[in-house]
Amino acid sequence: DTEVTQTPKHLVMGMTNKKSLKCEQHMGHRAMYWYKQKAKKPPELMFVYSYEKLSINESVPSRFSPECPNSSLLNLHLHALQPEDSALYLCASSQALAGPTGELFFGEGSRLTVL
Amino acid sequence: DAKTTQPNSMESNEEEPVHLPCNHSTISGTDYIHWYRQLPSQGPEYVIHGLTSNVNNRMASLAIAEDRKSSTLILHRATLRDAAVYYCILYTSGTYKYIFGTGTRLKVLA
Repeated sequence: DTEVTQTPKHLVMGMTNKKSLKCEQHMGHRAMYWYKQKAKKPPELMFVYSYEKLSINESVPSRFSPECPNSSLLNLHLHALQPEDSALYLCASSQALAGPTGELFFGEGSRLTVL
Repeated sequence: DAKTTQPNSMESNEEEPVHLPCNHSTISGTDYIHWYRQLPSQGPEYVIHGLTSNVNNRMASLAIAEDRKSSTLILHRATLRDAAVYYCILYTSGTYKYIFGTGTRLKVLA
């Protein structure tokens, strides 16, 4: 199984709502990532988890709150978002953070629209 | 973080080779060069990576300049399924960051 599964595929939320994006992998990978991708732009790194601990936060606003409950699961909790946060949110995993020769496996993304 | 520069778009005819260039003039000695591609409505997928020597795999070849300030992804025979955005990425050891460049949108003509 070489899949990274993201749910939901589409999400529409108001600025006062609280919602969550979910990402799951069963490849035994110990590093997981959240990226944000605006239309016709490259993915931008948001967060990196290694062994369920937050390793990197790319100065992401606190209205985005990541969580890694176990090595297979990564969540992104959303609260009080702005319309400019509308984007495709991509989850990825890799075997480990250790080496630069690793491969990232991406999910298909969750497309978020903030009204 | 070291940056990459790629042409915005390129076109190729089907079954012809495609050379996708990437400039990375600020690359450091420990930066690896990775290529990913993103097909329409999908997440990016790994294509190939290298450090100094040219690399081949079943998908593509990677040619790295001797001074490592540029590299070229080579698709030997483009197919319609190769139409995608191709991203050149520099990975710096110890940073754990894959920072995507602006990408090249490849159009393959039948």
